[in-house]
Amino acid sequence: SQKIEQNSEALNIQEGKTATLTCNYTNYSPAYLQWYRQDPGRGPVFLLLIRENEKEKRKERLKVTFDTTLKQSLFHITASQPADSATYLCAPANAGNMLTFGGGTRLMVKP
Amino acid sequence: EAGVVQSPRYKIIEKKQPVAFWCNPISGHNTLYWYRQNLGQGPELLIRYENEEAVDDSQLPKDRFSAERLKGVDSTLKIQPAELGDSAVYLCASSLGSGKVDEQFFGPGTRLTVL
Repeated sequence: SQKIEQNSEALNIQEGKTATLTCNYTNYSPAYLQWYRQDPGRGPVFLLLIRENEKEKRKERLKVTFDTTLKQSLFHITASQPADSATYLCAPANAGNMLTFGGGTRLMVKP
Repeated sequence: EAGVVQSPRYKIIEKKQPVAFWCNPISGHNTLYWYRQNLGQGPELLIRYENEEAVDDSQLPKDRFSAERLKGVDSTLKIQPAELGDSAVYLCASSLGSGKVDEQFFGPGTRLTVL
């Protein structure tokens, strides 16, 4: 069955550093992959979408890579800020917009 | 523009009682999703609608869960009877639809506690 793995342990980093979150998937060949941010008590909010034929996507301080050989996506936040503290969800998807969410990684950025 | 609206935000019931959740998607969004999110986990799809048609309900426990989307706009998810293991956050999301590669917009969710 499909398996989406994100580091379940919280990632603690210092303000100003680059945060890197990992998403690995198995038994799956997604056509694209989305990343969402979720704050406590709220629904997920869309951040970035990257397609299987794209190696990298950027949006302001965010960067996503997609390696279909390694079956892995990396999500980077540069110049991190305490306001970036949240849970980040990886969601590979097939062409029908059917997302399969990973368990999320909690990011804590300390001032 | 209003986002996805869900009600109630919180619900506490005793096991074996029925419960219903309501969702109003973003205007013009044809696709509507219901997800369940357990504590510390990612959302898990229960059912997806394209307009008023349920196109994927393979993960919906049909013995106790039901959903409808009359007129292809609002949707209701019902559990009858509720079990202890149904305690979770129930999220509704919508997207433009027609199977397009598209971001999903989530509501705030309904937190259900079954005692």
